[in-house]
Amino acid sequence: DIQMTQSPSSLSASVGDRVTITCRASQSISSYLNWYQQKPGKAPKLLIYAASSLQSGVPSRFSGSGSGTDFTLTISSLQPEDFATYYCQQSYSTPPVFGPGTKVDIK
Amino acid sequence: EVQLVETGGGLIQPGGSLRLSCAASGFTVSSNYMSWVRQAPGKGLEWVSVIYSGGSTYYADSVKGRFTISRDNSKNTLYLQMNSLRAEDTAVYYCARDYYDSSGYGALVYWGQGTLVTVSS
Repeated sequence: DIQMTQSPSSLSASVGDRVTITCRASQSISSYLNWYQQKPGKAPKLLIYAASSLQSGVPSRFSGSGSGTDFTLTISSLQPEDFATYYCQQSYSTPPVFGPGTKVDIK
Repeated sequence: EVQLVETGGGLIQPGGSLRLSCAASGFTVSSNYMSWVRQAPGKGLEWVSVIYSGGSTYYADSVKGRFTISRDNSKNTLYLQMNSLRAEDTAVYYCARDYYDSSGYGALVYWGQGTLVTVSS
């Protein structure tokens, strides 16, 4: 199975900050990489699919990049509603493993 | 409007069985790939199972041989039959609809609200 790692596991940031989260796959997954946002008590929400495609309705401050094994989710200017946990997921092969998550909280 | 509503969660003793349901509206379950994803309390997301539109099914190693995914086309409902439950199966279980674009990239776009399964004596 493909293993997914994320860094950092948590970070503290302020409103307006630029935030970058990294996801790494244990083998090449081309661009088969998705990013989800989850808030406490809520279902995950798809932000980015195919590594860099913004899901409909998601603010343009979110962006994704990368291919192969290394990927990045960037929030260009952190907003109050962005404090949440972010997960990457590979969709290259079954099982479609999720990363362990990155919690973004208020500094 | 696409909607997914999970039911069937609850408290069950170790070794017991439970069947989760996911009622769908706004689309046809049998024409889509449908997944179950779970989240243990305070933990991350864990993919559990998928059923393809053609009927093929796949499972995480952690549930293989104990869980069965299925669907009822007449009720437009997805199921997860869970047998031989263990304490480590305690989690919120989400059903989700996969979406694939024209290039073949897939993601879980639509999610239910989740149903909590607690395995404890």
